[in-house]
Amino acid sequence: GAVVSQHPSRVICKSGTSVKIECRSLDFQATTMFWYRQFPKKSLMLMATSNEGSKATYEQGVEKDKFLINHASLTLSTLTVTSAHPEDSSFYICSARFGTRNTGELFFGEGSRLTVL
Amino acid sequence: AQSVAQPEDQVNVAEGNPLTVKCTYSVSGNPYLFWYVQYPNRGLQFLLKYITGDNLVKGSYGFEAEFNKSQTSFHLKKPSALVSDSALYFCAVRDHLGGFKTIFGAGTRLFVKA
Repeated sequence: GAVVSQHPSRVICKSGTSVKIECRSLDFQATTMFWYRQFPKKSLMLMATSNEGSKATYEQGVEKDKFLINHASLTLSTLTVTSAHPEDSSFYICSARFGTRNTGELFFGEGSRLTVL
Repeated sequence: AQSVAQPEDQVNVAEGNPLTVKCTYSVSGNPYLFWYVQYPNRGLQFLLKYITGDNLVKGSYGFEAEFNKSQTSFHLKKPSALVSDSALYFCAVRDHLGGFKTIFGAGTRLFVKA
């Protein structure tokens, strides 16, 4: 299947700093990528839809200035957590849609665990 | 709006026994339904999907799922569970009219005891 690489897998930062997480589709072009946040009680929350060459679409309640998403190429989307605070500590997972049809499954990165001290 | 419910927080089965992980959904149009599995500290892996056609779909690792339109359900099943099946399972739905956005259920933790 298609491969999605996410980096870094773990990051620890101080409160107030910014952290960038990269999501790459390694063997296919992804015009659309999705960013999810997974909370300790398992649930996966869709944060935003990242579209190549255009602005990301954020879900209700997600601060766009807090979570900056850039999809500069067909294989790379980045999520930057700006001015991170301890409540931003979480597991962030990106995914990419394979193919152009709406019927395609998502392929996920391995996730990035962010810990804000 | 789309939604997915996984009513069981955890499912416990003995190795060799059949397993079922339940999922119900709500969408305004025809649903596209998916099952994913997640191992600790990893991303999600695709298991199977229902788009159209036969209500019984077969997927990876011996898993299958049955689409039931009248009950709006898409339960995941396996005839004989393995200890290695222990993981977190997510049901997901996409509305065929709603673009590519995929909504996930809360997840069900499957524990298979040897």
